[in-house]
Amino acid sequence: AQTVTQSQPEMSVQEAETVTLSCTYDTSENNYYLFWYKQPPSRQMILVIRQEAYKQQNATENRFSVNFQKAAKSFSLKISDSQLGDTAMYFCAFMSPGDKLVFGAGTILRVKS
Amino acid sequence: GAVVSQHPSRVICKSGTSVKIECRSLDFQATTMFWYRQFPKQSLMLMATSNEGSKATYEQGVEKDKFLINHASLTLSTLTVTSAHPEDSSFYICSANRQAQETQYFGPGTRLLVL
Repeated sequence: AQTVTQSQPEMSVQEAETVTLSCTYDTSENNYYLFWYKQPPSRQMILVIRQEAYKQQNATENRFSVNFQKAAKSFSLKISDSQLGDTAMYFCAFMSPGDKLVFGAGTILRVKS
Repeated sequence: GAVVSQHPSRVICKSGTSVKIECRSLDFQATTMFWYRQFPKQSLMLMATSNEGSKATYEQGVEKDKFLINHASLTLSTLTVTSAHPEDSSFYICSANRQAQETQYFGPGTRLLVL
């Protein structure tokens, strides 16, 4: 069974600085998808970024980018120019095609002014 | 992005009553939807996978007679908590799978409080 590990329960960053959230996963599959979701205090789950395993190029969405290392089974999220609105719980997730999401335990990120 | 709505956003009910929660995909069709439960500061726990036109698939330890799921159309899945008790109080979240993107989009969640 697939597992997702987020080893940082909580992190903080100063406004305008850069922060990296770590995520590792375990699978024997070659084709899969990886996601980062954000859950702010409103508790609405918001898709931040999506990566297809067969694509070597790292996904980016504005200030959010990932470092996808397939051989190392690592999928970290980098947030540049952190903003107060980035304060949230961040979940890393794995999904086999057509299957359910497997979530990590989450990382609480606090952006300080 | 895709939009998923969930209704009601919060509900308070008496012990022993049933509560229905609706999950709708507003701008795409979803043959598969998912129901999760989340406790404060914890990750999402998958309860069941809802398949349009067929029976839901429940995760181990989730009582199917307690949590009834109906996925009658490509845009609507419902979760009914039957004979609710205080221990059922929680935050329930649904998601809809946008098949072409192989991506799940989430509803805003429902806070259930059983007195």
